[in-house]
Amino acid sequence: SQTIHQWPATLVQPVGSPLSLECTVEGTSNPNLYWYRQAAGRGLQLLFYSVGIGQISSEVPQNLSASRPQDRQFILSSKKLLLSDSGFYLCAWSDTGTGVYEQYFGPGTRLTVT
Amino acid sequence: GIQVEQSPPDLILQEGANSTLRCNFSDSVNNLQWFHQNPWGQLINLFYIPSGTKQNGRLSATTVATERYSLLYISSSQTTDSGVYFCAVPPRRGSARQLTFGSGTQLTVLP
Repeated sequence: SQTIHQWPATLVQPVGSPLSLECTVEGTSNPNLYWYRQAAGRGLQLLFYSVGIGQISSEVPQNLSASRPQDRQFILSSKKLLLSDSGFYLCAWSDTGTGVYEQYFGPGTRLTVT
Repeated sequence: GIQVEQSPPDLILQEGANSTLRCNFSDSVNNLQWFHQNPWGQLINLFYIPSGTKQNGRLSATTVATERYSLLYISSSQTTDSGVYFCAVPPRRGSARQLTFGSGTQLTVLP
């Protein structure tokens, strides 16, 4: 069966520090991968998605970047964090081989920028 | 892009009561997902339901794609049903099928 991992689970970082969040998927190949952010309140906003290694699409201009160095690895980064980067970051994957694009989410990383 | 609206934004129930959550979307879709976000933040897949009706225990969902809405029914609610319920839809085309989420319904079930 497929599983998705995210780490770290929680992170407290000062303004101006770098960021690296990692997401890995097991039990599937060539998945679509996604990064979402949930700010205070409820809405989930899509940040980045990837349909293959090295292929990254950004949905909103921001202080963050994403990379996909391996088929099942998705990384969210920042060179200098802002207070507004605080939030709950969720990684998700979907299977591209079946034509059913149901998305499955990881446990998330809660980031607080101080 | 597609717009997704959920109602009601907040719902408080007594344990054992039934409820209906609604999701409206602005364009035709060929996929729709319902999620439950538990108090720890985990998004749990409830239904993948592009059309028709599905049931899973005390939960069921109906999507009427031609009228651009979906309903989530919770029967005999329990305290563990508390949390935020989201619906989400992708664009009809494109290889990524990234999801647009509604703003959610916060459900509180009281003992």
